Amino acid sequence: EAAVTQSPRNKVAVTGGKVTLSCNQTNNHNNMYWYRQDTGHGLRLIHYSYGAGSTEKGDIPDGYKASRPSQENFSLILELATPSQTSVYFCASGDAGTGGATLYFGSGTRLTVL
Amino acid sequence: GEKVEQHQSTLSVREGDSAVINCTYTDTASSYFPWYKQEAGKSLHFVIDIRSNVDRKQSQRLTVLLDKKAKRFSLHITATQPEDSAIYFCAATPAGFASALTFGSGTKVIVLP
Repeated sequence: EAAVTQSPRNKVAVTGGKVTLSCNQTNNHNNMYWYRQDTGHGLRLIHYSYGAGSTEKGDIPDGYKASRPSQENFSLILELATPSQTSVYFCASGDAGTGGATLYFGSGTRLTVL
Repeated sequence: GEKVEQHQSTLSVREGDSAVINCTYTDTASSYFPWYKQEAGKSLHFVIDIRSNVDRKQSQRLTVLLDKKAKRFSLHITATQPEDSAIYFCAATPAGFASALTFGSGTKVIVLP
């Protein structure tokens, strides 16, 4: 069964601090994604990756960095966290391909920046 | 880039009735339109999709309709049950974009007894 694991599940950070959200997938999917979910906005794409060593900017990349050191792992990094980054973050993985493919989501990380 | 709009934030239906959720998109190059479901306090999971080479797809009680001219697609749930209560997200992506989906804002479906 497709599995995407996110850690931590909950995180409280201080403004200006560094936050790293981690994601691991055992699906052997090439593509991985980071979305944030906010009421009224649905899910918005922050960064994505086509494979180890690659990261691409999504629709709202400002204030975020991403790292894909291996096929299985994809991290989202907030170098200087701000209260506006308080949100629920979802990682997802999916097969490569041009026709569209099902995404498998992790359980989410609830981040609060004070 | 692509913009996907869901015009209903909440939809209440009586158990056993049908529910219809509508979405519009802007990019004529979009060709893949999936729907995801998020139950309370949980993550999202895939429910059904449609590709631009067809205008209708059915899976059990779920049917997706696609109108490419109007750039509109919809999810129809028949004979609604309590377990259909959830937030439903539509999404779209152009061909060649390797499934980096653009999501709508979500529609909360409440199935009333």
